[in-house]
Amino acid sequence: AQSVAQPEDQVNVAEGNPLTVKCTYSVSGNPYLFWYVQYPNRGLQFLLKYITGDNLVKGSYGFEAEFNKSQTSFHLKKPSALVSDSALYFCAVRDRTGGSYIPTFGRGTSLIVHP
Amino acid sequence: ETGVTQSPTHLIKTRGQQVTLRCSSQSGHNTVSWYQQALGQGPQFIFQYYREEENGRGNFPPRFSGLQFPNYSSELNVNALELDDSALYLCASSSPGLEETQYFGPGTRLVVL
Repeated sequence: AQSVAQPEDQVNVAEGNPLTVKCTYSVSGNPYLFWYVQYPNRGLQFLLKYITGDNLVKGSYGFEAEFNKSQTSFHLKKPSALVSDSALYFCAVRDRTGGSYIPTFGRGTSLIVHP
Repeated sequence: ETGVTQSPTHLIKTRGQQVTLRCSSQSGHNTVSWYQQALGQGPQFIFQYYREEENGRGNFPPRFSGLQFPNYSSELNVNALELDDSALYLCASSSPGLEETQYFGPGTRLVVL
């Protein structure tokens, strides 16, 4: 079975500081990994994904994430946070070799960027 | 390029009733997935449709059913509504393939009283 853990319900950061939102995963095979952002009363917006190749993935709005196979992690990062980055962030995994294409989402991390 | 749209935006039903939610996929996408997002939770996969056939289902009972039409739009039907069915229902469209990005609609907020 596959799973995703987002260990922090909430992350607080000051505007201009770097931010990290953590994600760890478990799959039987090799993963496809995704990050989405959700603003209040809205659907999910795609930020970035890891498919294969370079472990550092760059995405929308200045976000990036690093795939670490040994630590089974895919943490989301941004060098300088903006107040407008405040939202709910979801990590998701699909097992590309385990036979199940059903995606699993984490419970989400609320990012609050203080002015 | 038209994004994913869903209707209605909000819906209030009572226990035991039936509901139909609708989704129009993004142009060029032939795969539609439905998710249930309860308050404070991540989206839970309900099922996926590809070329008008269900090709994957999560851990949801048979009273959750769906359809996909030739234009790739889709419906989610829920019979015998229960209080726990209250949630945001999200539709996502994509091209087929595990690596493909899913693009989400704004969701339908269902309240069951």
